[in-house]
Amino acid sequence: GDSVTQMEGPVTLSEEAFLTINCTYTATGYPSLFWYVQYPGEGLQLLLKATKADDKGSNKGFEATYRKETTSFHLEKGSVQVSDSAVYFCALSDPGTYKYIFGTGTRLKVLA
Amino acid sequence: NAGVTQTPKFRVLKTGQSMTLLCAQDMNHEYMYWYRQDPGMGLRLIHYSVGEGTTAKGEVPDGYNVSRLKKQNFLLGLESAAPSQTSVYFCASSEGVFNTEAFFGQGTRLTVV
Repeated sequence: GDSVTQMEGPVTLSEEAFLTINCTYTATGYPSLFWYVQYPGEGLQLLLKATKADDKGSNKGFEATYRKETTSFHLEKGSVQVSDSAVYFCALSDPGTYKYIFGTGTRLKVLA
Repeated sequence: NAGVTQTPKFRVLKTGQSMTLLCAQDMNHEYMYWYRQDPGMGLRLIHYSVGEGTTAKGEVPDGYNVSRLKKQNFLLGLESAAPSQTSVYFCASSEGVFNTEAFFGQGTRLTVV
């Protein structure tokens, strides 16, 4: 079945450092790919998405490119801020199964 | 501009008690989902619905039942709560899985003692 694998955390960075959170997926169909962010005590919010191969999603300085050949959707940001501290989830949606499948989440902590 | 609303936000149950979690969405979405979030496990799908009157099992359905009598509401029931059901429960809705995202509620923190 479909699955999403993302790097384990926690990831601790200094402010203004470069961020990469790796995400790979397995799917039988043609999924859409998402990154969600969860701040403490809150629900998940969509950060960005990409719906077909080679699409790049971007939002708030974060970017991720849908790479079908490597089945990856890595999240990057050039300069993180303390306010970026949160848990980040990679996810896919499969039209064949009507489901959204999530990775285990990666906790990011940014130090001032 | 409510989006997805979950009721209650917190609850403590004794083992063997029953309860129902309510999810309501005001976006006229067809699809609704219940997930549980546990440390190190990410979000796991419990049950989902692709339209009013329909339900289907997800990854971890045992011990839970659901109903979708109205399009805007998706209820999650625990008939006899167990400590293993201590978790944070999230409801989500979407207008479809093709190219569209799911919208999440704020979560329900349930503790079973």
